[in-house]
Amino acid sequence: GNSVTQMEGPVTLSEEAFLTINCTYTATGYPSLFWYVQYPGEGLQLLLKATKADDKGSNKGFEATYRKETTSFHLEKGSVQVSDSAVYFCALRDFGGNTPLVFGKGTRLSVIA
Amino acid sequence: GAVVSQHPSRVICKSGTSVKIECRSLDFQATTMFWYRQFPKQSLMLMATSNEGSKATYEQGVEKDKFLINHASLTLSTLTVTSAHPEDSSFYICSARDPSGGTDTGELFFGEGSRLTVL
Repeated sequence: GNSVTQMEGPVTLSEEAFLTINCTYTATGYPSLFWYVQYPGEGLQLLLKATKADDKGSNKGFEATYRKETTSFHLEKGSVQVSDSAVYFCALRDFGGNTPLVFGKGTRLSVIA
Repeated sequence: GAVVSQHPSRVICKSGTSVKIECRSLDFQATTMFWYRQFPKQSLMLMATSNEGSKATYEQGVEKDKFLINHASLTLSTLTVTSAHPEDSSFYICSARDPSGGTDTGELFFGEGSRLTVL
């Protein structure tokens, strides 16, 4: 079945540091890939997505590129801020009406001033 | 993007009582909704797939009689936690796909989540 593996946290960075959160996936088809973010005490928000190989999703300074050859979708940001402190989930979903999102375990990021 | 709303956002109840959580798609019709559960500092676990007009499909290990799911209309799915116990305390999140527009990009839209605390 489909699965997502992402680096375990927690990750602690100083403000303005470079961020990488690794994510790899296993899928039988050609899924869409997502990064969701969960701020403390809140629900999930879509951060970015990519629907096919070589697509790059970007939002709020975050980027991730759909790499089919390495089955990866690593999240990067060049300069993190304290407000980026949250839990980040990598996820995939096959096309089709009744297919759910499959999530990685989440990576907690703490950015300190 | 499409909007999914959950209610209540927080609920505290006594052990043995039942709690109903509603999930509504506000600007689209959802034939399928998904219910997830999140334990503290853990990932989201799919509990069940809710299908409008038919029985929900539960994931392995999820008790059907404890977590009753009803999807009576194209905009509303409900999750009822029956005879709740402290171990049912968790964050419950629903999600749905917006089928309008024709192309499925794979994205699901999430409700705000409902935090259940059972005393």
